[in-house]
Amino acid sequence: TQLLEQSPQFLSIQEGENLTVYCNSSSVFSSLQWYRQEPGEGPVLLVTVVTGGEVKKLKRLTFQFGDARKDSSLHITAAQPGDTGLYLCAGVPMEYGNKLVFGAGTILRVKS
Amino acid sequence: DAGVIQSPRHEVTEMGQEVTLRCKPISGHNSLFWYRQTMMRGLELLIYFNNNVPIDDSGMPEDRFSAKMPNASFSTLKIQPSEPRDSAVYFCASSEGLLGLREQFFGPGTRLTVL
Repeated sequence: TQLLEQSPQFLSIQEGENLTVYCNSSSVFSSLQWYRQEPGEGPVLLVTVVTGGEVKKLKRLTFQFGDARKDSSLHITAAQPGDTGLYLCAGVPMEYGNKLVFGAGTILRVKS
Repeated sequence: DAGVIQSPRHEVTEMGQEVTLRCKPISGHNSLFWYRQTMMRGLELLIYFNNNVPIDDSGMPEDRFSAKMPNASFSTLKIQPSEPRDSAVYFCASSEGLLGLREQFFGPGTRLTVL
């Protein structure tokens, strides 16, 4: 069982559509990060959220950290083929000290 | 900056053979992490070092796995003997600090296939 549950596992949409990816847990996290990974490469950090209720925007991407710091979401507006990739959430559980744990990821495919 | 460097990029070996994966972290980073990624289990932390000292190796699956960091610019992950279930992509990452707030920079990974 993953400490961080991501949904959906797979998402295939048309260019221009909006989408939301979720990252949920029963544990409290001191911080949460979102990474994007492209085939044949390592994950690349998109954002770190620290405060409960925090919202961060990165161009067409909006990240939110839940008030209780147990969940997070990633919303993409007007998706483009370049957004295609594996999206991973990762966090430091309060009870695990400095250890970063990853969710299983959401595979996103944006068709043109 | 060259980023995190891993070698080899691909490794195909036979069951029972010793495998050594190598990593050069970003200069100035004092924390280094080894991960394994599979379709079934996702990205798993195997071990991490801070200032060349192993801090947490609880993710190392078995005694067949060992990792060393002899200096600030080099680390190895060794599997001896290797088994087919070790087939995965192994990533090395480094960061400026140990806390989860710090960004981890990942290398391109080593794709290991054990036949």
